[in-house]
Amino acid sequence: DGGITQSPKYLFRKEGQNVTLSCEQNLNHDAMYWYRQDPGQGLRLIYYSQIVNDFQKGDIAEGYSVSREKKESFPLTVTSAQKNPTAFYLCASSHGTSGGATDTQYFGPGTRLTVL
Amino acid sequence: AQSVTQLGSHVSVSEGALVLLRCNYSSSVPPYLFWYVQYPNQGLQLLLKYTTGATLVKGINGFEAEFKKSETSFHLTKPSAHMSDAAEYFCAVSDRGAQKLVFGQGTRLTINP
Repeated sequence: DGGITQSPKYLFRKEGQNVTLSCEQNLNHDAMYWYRQDPGQGLRLIYYSQIVNDFQKGDIAEGYSVSREKKESFPLTVTSAQKNPTAFYLCASSHGTSGGATDTQYFGPGTRLTVL
Repeated sequence: AQSVTQLGSHVSVSEGALVLLRCNYSSSVPPYLFWYVQYPNQGLQLLLKYTTGATLVKGINGFEAEFKKSETSFHLTKPSAHMSDAAEYFCAVSDRGAQKLVFGQGTRLTINP
């Protein structure tokens, strides 16, 4: 089955700790994205990557970091610098080759992060 | 910068009634337009999208949306609501040539029996 997997589904973090959220896709998509979802605010873009070894900041990149060493993987690290990390995090991917958002973005099931 | 407004954070309809979820965008140049649905604690699923061509777009689960340039709108409709339609719905837009989607705040749809 092709798709996007995110792990873990639930994650608990103590203040001051860094945590890494996993995102893997087997759709052979070039582009991958990380969003943060908070109640009543829709989805906000954290980082995106159009190609391996390259990524760009989104609208709310502060306190987050990413890497794109493999086409199928785009992990997100939530650092201790992120002041309010409790949220639902969604990873997405798209073909990306057309260079525009006409490509449908396919979403993973999400990771719910809670800071204790 | 492109922005999206979904009128009504919560819409409630009776089973069998018309569903109308509103979406307006800010760009003067017609963007690409999308509607996604999210069930509790899940990711988003594409319902439909408009990029070019016919302005009435049909999607999955009986939903459709009409792009109206003069009104900068892309409202989502379904003639007859079903209990399984209860979910959160997001409108999203992207400027032509842009890499990013901009999402609205979402509308939670409740279906009353």
